[in-house]
Amino acid sequence: SQQGEEDPQALSIQEGENATMNCSYKTSINNLQWYRQNSGRGLVHLILIRSNEREKHSGRLRVTLDTSKKSSSLLITASRAADTASYFCASYYGQNFVFGPGTRLSVLP
Amino acid sequence: EAGVAQSPRYKIIEKRQSVAFWCNPISGHATLYWYQQILGQGPKLLIQFQNNGVVDDSQLPKDRFSAERLKGVDSTLKIQPAKLEDSAVYLCASSPGSSGNTIYFGEGSWLTVV
Repeated sequence: SQQGEEDPQALSIQEGENATMNCSYKTSINNLQWYRQNSGRGLVHLILIRSNEREKHSGRLRVTLDTSKKSSSLLITASRAADTASYFCASYYGQNFVFGPGTRLSVLP
Repeated sequence: EAGVAQSPRYKIIEKRQSVAFWCNPISGHATLYWYQQILGQGPKLLIQFQNNGVVDDSQLPKDRFSAERLKGVDSTLKIQPAKLEDSAVYLCASSPGSSGNTIYFGEGSWLTVV
């Protein structure tokens, strides 16, 4: 399988803390994207990082990409209860997106 | 801008019955995807269309699943006959092109096969 892997599978933190999720993939990619999925809903795009970029910011989100290690990380700073969701990385290669199994984040008030 | 529309949202059928899901992508989006998401897992691509042509259907169980995209706009995904393991959320998504653009997802169609 070419599917990527997120780590950890589940993460529980207190409101205000930072949350870090990692993603590994298996082949060279064109870009990598992170998506959020609230329970019972569709996926929502968070951020895209291209293969020639190393870091990208969007609000409280910071994504890094290490192509030599075939890995990416998503950092959510100052987490809120509303950040509770599943987070997926999607690696893009060829003409396909391959999603990992996701990290389930719980932010406790 | 209207998002990706899917219907029905929920469906319960008995095994060996058939079911069809409909998707209307964002206007102007050339690429349409159908993903299957089993509870607790990430989405798995079933089929990808570019306009009304199939780009990738390598993971579509063609003995029971079929999909079409008429006139390069709306799409339907059909399962016949359904099996218990087909219980999942079927996510339709679209993007402006096929070169790694952001994918926009619908809310999904939840299928339970009993």
